Amino acid sequence: NAGVMQNPRHLVRRRGQEARLRCSPMKGHSHVYWYRQLPEEGLKFMVYLQKENIIDESGMPKERFSAEFPKEGPSILRIQQVVRGDSAAYFCASSPGGRGIYEQYFGPGTRLTVT
Amino acid sequence: LAKTTQPISMDSYEGQEVNITCSHNNIATNDYITWYQQFPSQGPRFIIQGYKTKVTNEVASLFIPADRKSSTLSLPRVSLSDTAVYYCLVGPNTDKLIFGTGTRLQVFP
Repeated sequence: NAGVMQNPRHLVRRRGQEARLRCSPMKGHSHVYWYRQLPEEGLKFMVYLQKENIIDESGMPKERFSAEFPKEGPSILRIQQVVRGDSAAYFCASSPGGRGIYEQYFGPGTRLTVT
Repeated sequence: LAKTTQPISMDSYEGQEVNITCSHNNIATNDYITWYQQFPSQGPRFIIQGYKTKVTNEVASLFIPADRKSSTLSLPRVSLSDTAVYYCLVGPNTDKLIFGTGTRLQVFP
């Protein structure tokens, strides 16, 4: 069973460009979470999605950021008009949802560098 | 969500037992205590979860006193590969994870 996959692993964008980060959850997982991590800091929650639904986007910046998890295909985190402050590692996690042990499986992350 | 407090860093030597304590004074009735491990340039990895008393798996043990206001992650006989950041998280079982700054464990030979 393949783990959570994220691509690209590294992404370089100039200020003002768009960044698209993709996440394929583990097989059978219908819950996807996105987190952002700045150097030497813990992960910060951004958004929680289920198939075709945004459940919790309380951690998403109000502008330029959007996320989706379509019925088919990976979850996408989209950052428009990137700025230097968007440089960070972006991690995706998935879980099967439902009750029970609360364990999220994380991908290897996408490291975004804005020049 | 309950705020957690844990040491910023800890040092140990190979073969020793390491205990990392986390304080969570405002833990709620429906909150679980979960620990994650993160190596550099990797995503966090689930270690263990508990609600009360003691939980043990093949990797670690988690001790939770009756008042649940703190918890201790115990790593038996650490090796160099246990050098990582360890996060203590508290929250309900169906919600986003709230990470603090974690404890940076350095294991020396």
